[in-house]
Formats: sequence, structure tokens, C-alpha cells
Amino acid sequence: KQEVTQIPAALSVPEGENLVLNCSFTDSAIYNLQWFRQDPGKGLTSLLLIQSSQREQTSGRLNASLDKSSGRSTLYIAASQPGDSATYLCAVRPINTDKLIFGTGTRLQVFP
Amino acid sequence: KAGVTQTPRYLIKTRGQQVTLSCSPISGHRSVSWYQQTPGQGLQFLFEYFSETQRNKGNFPGRFSGRQFSNSRSEMNVSTLELGDSALYLCASSLRFGASYEQYFGPGTRLTVT
Repeated sequence: KQEVTQIPAALSVPEGENLVLNCSFTDSAIYNLQWFRQDPGKGLTSLLLIQSSQREQTSGRLNASLDKSSGRSTLYIAASQPGDSATYLCAVRPINTDKLIFGTGTRLQVFP
Repeated sequence: KAGVTQTPRYLIKTRGQQVTLSCSPISGHRSVSWYQQTPGQGLQFLFEYFSETQRNKGNFPGRFSGRQFSNSRSEMNVSTLELGDSALYLCASSLRFGASYEQYFGPGTRLTVT
């Protein structure tokens, strides 16, 4: 059974810091991995989608990497800003099913 | 292009009642998935519909059901509500059924059961 874990559960950093969020999954048979952002009480905003054949994806200050063999992904946020404060969720799409399996999330707070 | 819309956004129900939530996918999208988000269990998959047929189902009791209409709009129904059903219910749409199609999420319906 696929399990997705995110570390740390919460993170508080000063503005301007570069930071790394971690996601690990137990079964490497995945079709893709996706990082989402969720603001309090809101839906999910897709940040980056990495196909299983890819090693990384970049969008602006965000860079996500995928190491399928070790079951790990990292989301790198450069020069963090208070507007980055949110919960970040990673989700994998297993090959044998079409549903997304979500991690428990990392709650990020960036203070001025 | 309008995103995924969900109605209502907020709902308060009493234990034992039933509730129906609605989801309108992005125009042209034919697959709709439903997820439940709670503080204790996180985000969990409920079911997925494509071409008015349920294609995939999560581990939820039979009180949770859904359907999809010919215009791809979807509804989910929860009967005999329990306190533990209080959650944010998220709907996601994709072009087609299958892992290669990215899911786009709506804002969710916040259900509170008292």
C-alpha cells in the first residue's frame, strides 16, 4: 500500500531564506508526482507536476526534484516571501490506480 | 476559462440528515474526482467518474455515493450524516480518465455536522 510522508510537518522561517520541503513515498511504481499549495480553508493550487521519467521541474522560484528509485521528492523554494505562507502537499499517482495519494503536508510560515 | 466550481461553499447539517454537494468541472473536462480532507486523516480519495460511470472508488462506507450527469457535472451524496463526516470536500476535474491527465481542484465545500 502506497504511503506518502512529508517532513517537516511545520516550518517557520524569516523572509528571504531558501528552504527545502521533503516528500517520501513507499512504492516507486508511480506515474507522476505533484506538489500543491493550499491556503487556509481553500482548495488546492497545483505548483509542479513531475512525470516519472523526469528528474525535476522548475517554475519561477520553485524547483521540484524526483528520485523515484529512492522514493523521494523535494520542493525547493528560493528567496521565500510572506506570501509563500501556506500548506504544501505532495501527491503521487500510482501506476495501478488513477487516484492521487496525498502526504500529510508541511505547514509553512514565512515571517517578515 | 472558468475553473472548477463547487456549490455550496459552506454547509451545516445535523447528525442523521443527508447532504448533496455539487461540482461543475472545467469546460471540456469529462472526468471528476472527489476527495475528503480532515485534520486527522488528511486528503483521502472518495471516487472518480468518467462518462457518467464510476471508474474508481476509495475506502469509504456506502453512505457516500455519487453520480455524474451527461454534461459532466457531478454530485456526491452523504446519507445518515455522522459527526466524523465534518470535512472539506474537494472536487477535481481532468480532461479524460487516466493517470496521464492532470487534475484541477475546486475551492471545496466545507461541511459541518452538528
